[in-house]
Amino acid sequence: VQLLESGGTLVQPGGSLRLSCTASEVTFNTCDVTWVRQAPGKGLEWVSTFSASRPYTYYADSLRGRFAISRDTSKNILYLQMSSLRVEDTAFYFCACGSLVRGITYFFKDWGRGTLVTVSS
Amino acid sequence: SYVLAQPPSVSVAPGQTATITCGGNNIGSKSVHWYQQKPGQAPVVVVFDDDVRPSGTPERVSGSKSGNTATLTITWVEVGDEADYYCQMWDSSRDQGVFGGGTKLTVL
Repeated sequence: VQLLESGGTLVQPGGSLRLSCTASEVTFNTCDVTWVRQAPGKGLEWVSTFSASRPYTYYADSLRGRFAISRDTSKNILYLQMSSLRVEDTAFYFCACGSLVRGITYFFKDWGRGTLVTVSS
Repeated sequence: SYVLAQPPSVSVAPGQTATITCGGNNIGSKSVHWYQQKPGQAPVVVVFDDDVRPSGTPERVSGSKSGNTATLTITWVEVGDEADYYCQMWDSSRDQGVFGGGTKLTVL
C-alpha cells in the first residue's frame, strides 16, 4: 500500500487549502483512508476517516465544519479541504490506510510521508 | 472527549525491558493500537488490537492490557528502538480516533 500526500504549503491565517492523498485503486478499495496531523515537535492528532463502504466520513469534533473530505474516484485521490485556517493548524498532514478490525475499531496500517502545512502571516 | 494518558518519557539501557503505558477510562473494553515513530519518519504500527503483531514487528515487542491500562513491552531493547511511541484507539461512542500524547523512548 502506497499513499502520497501533496498540496502542503504556506498559507495565511483565514485562508483555505486543499491537500491530496493519492493511492492506487486497490488501496482505495481496501482502506478507509484517514488523515492524521502532527504539529512540529508535537504528538499525533486524528483528523478524519473516510469510509468508502458505508459511505461516511468521520471528523474530529474540533475540526468539523472547517475541514471536509472529498474524493475523485477516477483519479484515486482523496482530498482534505481546509478552510478558515489558523496558526494552530500548522502541521504535517499524513494520510494513512485505515483498517477496521472486528467492525468496531480502526487502526492505521500504512502511512504516507506527510505534507507540511504552515499557517502564518 | 476520551483521553489516553502516556508518560512523556521512558529511559532504559540496551538489553533491558522497556514498558510504556497507556491509561484510559474503561480501556479494558476497548481495542488499543501502538505506533512507533522515528525522527523525520511517518508512524509505523507495531501492535494492533491490543496484542497482535503485524508482520515485521519482532516478537520481543508485545502489547497487553490490565484494568484501565494498556502496555507496550519491548524486551531486549536495542538502540534502534529509540523512538516516540503512541497508543491509539477508536472511540466508537463518538466515532472519533484518539491518540495518546506519545512516549519518547530513550535507550541509554
